[in-house]
Amino acid sequence: GAVVSQHPSRVICKSGTSVKIECRSLDFQATTMFWYRQFPKQSLMLMATSNEGSKATYEQGVEKDKFLINHASLTLSTLTVTSAHPEDSSFYICSARDRGNTDTQYFGPGTRLTVL
Amino acid sequence: AQSVTQLDSHVSVSEGTPVLLRCNYSSSYSPSLFWYVQHPNKGLQLLLKYTSAATLVKGINGFEAEFKKSETSFHLTKPSAHMSDAAEYFCVVRRLTGGGNKLTFGTGTQLKVEL
Repeated sequence: GAVVSQHPSRVICKSGTSVKIECRSLDFQATTMFWYRQFPKQSLMLMATSNEGSKATYEQGVEKDKFLINHASLTLSTLTVTSAHPEDSSFYICSARDRGNTDTQYFGPGTRLTVL
Repeated sequence: AQSVTQLDSHVSVSEGTPVLLRCNYSSSYSPSLFWYVQHPNKGLQLLLKYTSAATLVKGINGFEAEFKKSETSFHLTKPSAHMSDAAEYFCVVRRLTGGGNKLTFGTGTQLKVEL
């Protein structure tokens, strides 16, 4: 089946530093990937839609300069949390939409970010 | 706008008994609805989806859901719970936007299965 990986699975960083999270579709091509944020015991909130070869589309209230998204190839999207602060600590999840089956999103296992 | 409401934040059942996880939707159009499961430290997995075909949808691991337009519901059921079913379950609706295929998640239901 379709597999999406994320790296790293966990990251701890100091306040003020930047952190990059990778999302890869391993066995399919994804023209569109999505980035979500999940707070403890809460639902997933869509942050942005990442389109291969073009700018990402951000949801209302999400700072595009804070959360930089790059979708350079059909199998890789990256989310960079810039100048991270403790309030950015969260579980970040990506999903990818199969180019050949646009009906379904496949989710990565998530990245736990802790900002000290 | 499309939205879903999961009526129970926690459900506890005994192993071997039926499971019912409730979800109501709000949509001005015929919605596309999904159920996803999230196990600890694993990615969200699609259980089943409804996209305006048969109203009774069968998914993986013995789960099924019935789309009831008159009740605006899409409840998830399983005849007999297994210990491995313990997880977080999300009812999801696909948004109709210019961007297409954006998902709106419910708040989740934590399913606990006891011996």
